[in-house]
Amino acid sequence: DADVTQTPRNRITKTGKRIMLECSQTKGHDRMYWYRQDPGLGLRLIYYSFDVKDINKGEISDGYSVSRQAQAKFSLSLESAIPNQTALYFCATSDRQGLGNQPQHFGDGTRLSIL
Amino acid sequence: AQTVTQSQPEMSVQEAETVTLSCTYDTSENNYYLFWYKQPPSRQMILVIRQEAYKQQNATENRFSVNFQKAAKSFSLKISDSQLGDTAMYFCAFLNTGTASKLTFGTGTRLQVTL
Repeated sequence: DADVTQTPRNRITKTGKRIMLECSQTKGHDRMYWYRQDPGLGLRLIYYSFDVKDINKGEISDGYSVSRQAQAKFSLSLESAIPNQTALYFCATSDRQGLGNQPQHFGDGTRLSIL
Repeated sequence: AQTVTQSQPEMSVQEAETVTLSCTYDTSENNYYLFWYKQPPSRQMILVIRQEAYKQQNATENRFSVNFQKAAKSFSLKISDSQLGDTAMYFCAFLNTGTASKLTFGTGTRLQVTL
């Protein structure tokens, strides 16, 4: 089983719908992250959480919200989806110790298309 | 804020040859980490190699090595004996220890390995 699991793998939805992307991990890491990937732009940080009670905005948080339901679960919501949120979304985790010695581990991504 | 620049959107190399992917970054910090991630068509994000800024020795992982030039803020990836399985998007990423595990990614280089 994958250490970092994202569901769904793919999703097509309509403008204005509320969407939730889920991430769960079995690595026991404290820190979890949500990124989006767009062609030509690389990965950009949406939100990150250092523990259940610590949630922080990344560089592109507008239009998104998150919930850290437990150490192992971190979900991303689009309250009212719009077409320019069409992207590949990644969840990642890292251990609090070591920083660079413990790099981020990524899920397989959720491809989201908003029509 | 840190920036990471990958100036080669696409590259091609023949099987068994060597290729070098470029990455430059901008930071005023002295302690940080640098990474190369590989994203094959399966879209997974796979850590290829990491470099700690305080280490002068260039990191090596089998056929993958880096040329880390701290003064020039350059971090290139060399792939020796290229294989078809190396075909992927490659992302350079910067982690500043002061910002606690937040990765900044470059825009990526798409590498095609040909017969």
